[in-house]
Amino acid sequence: KQEVTQIPAALSVPEGENLVLNCSFTDSAIYNLQWFRQDPGKGLTSLLLIQSSQREQTSGRLNASLDKSSGRSTLYIAASQPGDSATYLCAVYTSGTYKYIFGTGTRLKVLA
Amino acid sequence: DAGVTQSPTHLIKTRGQQVTLRCSPKSGHDTVSWYQQALGQGPQFIFQYYEEEERQRGNFPDRFSGHQFPNYSSELNVNALLLGDSALYLCASSFLQGSYEQYFGPGTRLTVT
Repeated sequence: KQEVTQIPAALSVPEGENLVLNCSFTDSAIYNLQWFRQDPGKGLTSLLLIQSSQREQTSGRLNASLDKSSGRSTLYIAASQPGDSATYLCAVYTSGTYKYIFGTGTRLKVLA
Repeated sequence: DAGVTQSPTHLIKTRGQQVTLRCSPKSGHDTVSWYQQALGQGPQFIFQYYEEEERQRGNFPDRFSGHQFPNYSSELNVNALLLGDSALYLCASSFLQGSYEQYFGPGTRLTVT
C-alpha cells in the first residue's frame, strides 16, 4: 500500500531564502509524481509533474527532483517571496491504481 | 480554455440528508476523479470515472456514489450525511491517453450540521 509523507509539516522563512520541501513514498512503482500548491480554502494548482523516467523538472523558481529508488522527491524554491506562502502537496500516481495518493502537505509561510 | 469547474461553491446540509455535487472537466479531458479533503489533511481519493464507468474506488462507503455523463461531466452523490462528511470535495480531470496529470477544480465546501 502506497504511503506518502511530507516533511516538514510547517515551515517559516524570511523572504529571499532558498528552501527545500521533502516528499517520500513507500512504493517505488510509480507512474508519476505531481507537486501542487493550495491556498487556504481553495483548490489545488499543479506546479510540476515528474514522469517516472525523469529525474527533475523546472518551472521558473521551482525545481522538483525525483529519486525512485530511494522513494524521495524534493521541491526546491529559489529566492522565496511572501506570495509563495501556501500549503504544498505532493501526490504519487502508482502504476495500475488509477489514483493519486497525497501527502499531508507542508504549510509554508514566507515573511516579508 | 475553461479549466475544471465545480458547483456549488459552498453547501450546508443537515445530518441524514442527501447531497449532489457537480464537476465539469477541463476541455479535452475524459477522466474525472473525486477527492475528499478534511481540514489540515491531504486529499483522499473517493473514485474515478472513465467512459461513464467507475474505474477505481477508494476506501469510502457505498453512501458515496457517482456518475459520469456522455459529455464527461460528473456528479458525486452522498446519502445519509454524517457530521464527518464535512470537508472540501475536489474534482480533478485528466486525459487517459496522456501523462495522467490531474487538474483540479476550486472545490465544494460541504458543511453538515
